[in-house]
Amino acid sequence: GNSVTQMEGPVTLSEEAFLTINCTYTATGYPSLFWYVQYPGEGLQLLLKATKADDKGSNKGFEATYRKETTSFHLEKGSVQVSDSAVYFCALITGGGADGLTFGKGTHLIIQP
Amino acid sequence: DADVTQTPRNRITKTGKRIMLECSQTKGHDRMYWYRQDPGLGLRLIYYSFDVKDINKGEISDGYSVSRQAQAKFSLSLESAIPNQTALYFCATSVNRGSMTEAFFGQGTRLTVV
Repeated sequence: GNSVTQMEGPVTLSEEAFLTINCTYTATGYPSLFWYVQYPGEGLQLLLKATKADDKGSNKGFEATYRKETTSFHLEKGSVQVSDSAVYFCALITGGGADGLTFGKGTHLIIQP
Repeated sequence: DADVTQTPRNRITKTGKRIMLECSQTKGHDRMYWYRQDPGLGLRLIYYSFDVKDINKGEISDGYSVSRQAQAKFSLSLESAIPNQTALYFCATSVNRGSMTEAFFGQGTRLTVV
């Protein structure tokens, strides 16, 4: 079956620090990969996505590259802001969505001023 | 207006009560899903549906049932709520776009069973 493993939090950084949140996966077939963000008290928002090897998804200064050889999709941002404080979920989907998204457990990111 | 709408947004209910969470979408997608989110466990799939006549169990379907009343509506029921069903529940839809599958989520329903 499919599974997603991401680093556990909370991750606490100072403003303007460099961020990496690791994500690795196992999947049957060729997955599409996603990062979702959940701000306090809100639902899930798609942050970025990638559909094939070496694709780079990017949005709001965040980036993640689909690495098939290492089955990874690490999230990075060069300079984080307090407003980036949220829970981040790595996820994948295979088979045209037949089984829905498989999520990691989430990483709580806390950015301190 | 949101593309995927969940009602209610918050609900407190007593153990043993029946409760229904509703989801409607305006995206015209055939596939709909119900997930629950628990701290430290991420999101886990409860049920999913590919069309009005299709219902499938997910990873954690015990204690839940669903109804796909129309393409746009997918409701989740707890026949007899118990405290460990206290969680944040999300409805989602998905669509294939070429080689890409994309999912869209509702804002979530926070359910507390006391």
